[in-house]
Amino acid sequence: DTGVSQDPRHKITKRGQNVTFRCDPISEHNRLYWYRQTLGQGPEFLTYFQNEAQLEKSRLLSDRFSAERPKGSFSTLEIQRTEQGDSAMYLCASSLRGPYNEQFFGPGTRLTVL
Amino acid sequence: ILNVEQSPQSLHVQEGDSTNFTCSFPSSNFYALHWYRWETAKSPEALFVMTLNGDEKKKGRISATLNTKEGYSYLYIKGSQPEDSATYLCAFGQGGKLIFGQGTELSVKP
Repeated sequence: DTGVSQDPRHKITKRGQNVTFRCDPISEHNRLYWYRQTLGQGPEFLTYFQNEAQLEKSRLLSDRFSAERPKGSFSTLEIQRTEQGDSAMYLCASSLRGPYNEQFFGPGTRLTVL
Repeated sequence: ILNVEQSPQSLHVQEGDSTNFTCSFPSSNFYALHWYRWETAKSPEALFVMTLNGDEKKKGRISATLNTKEGYSYLYIKGSQPEDSATYLCAFGQGGKLIFGQGTELSVKP
């Protein structure tokens, strides 16, 4: 399968714990995006990378969130000191560079914070 | 704040019905309008990327139109089937990112 993959698919954690998610993009794509989707809403942009450079971060991305793409391939999204409000579906997407290119999405990681 | 609005929020139709949804977006600084279909437990699937005013695109029984001057796009499904049941999302391309509407949840009953 050459699509976007995400791991884990589900994560249940207790409030205050740290969690890390991984995204593997389509191999030839140089852009990688993170979105968050909560119930009844569309996905909301969090951040994106071009190769290893983080080009934009949303105001939604508080200091507890950090994303990396160290070698310009896979990416990780870490949430420190999780809160119940962090419960959501975290989606990763990748694309080629350019404003018209399709973003291809992974299946998401469903986070539940108890 | 850039708003992308979709209507209706949900739709229940019978198999064989044709249906359509609306996406409204800012008409200034337009780059592209994307449509996605998102089935439960699967990845969102790209349907169309629309870039030019007056664009009409078709994929099987699904088609879409674009009016960038007035800031809206319509998605049509002809002869809905139960496998069309999903959430349909539109997204406005802004620089590198997509701004999504809240989606239209379609349920097609056999």
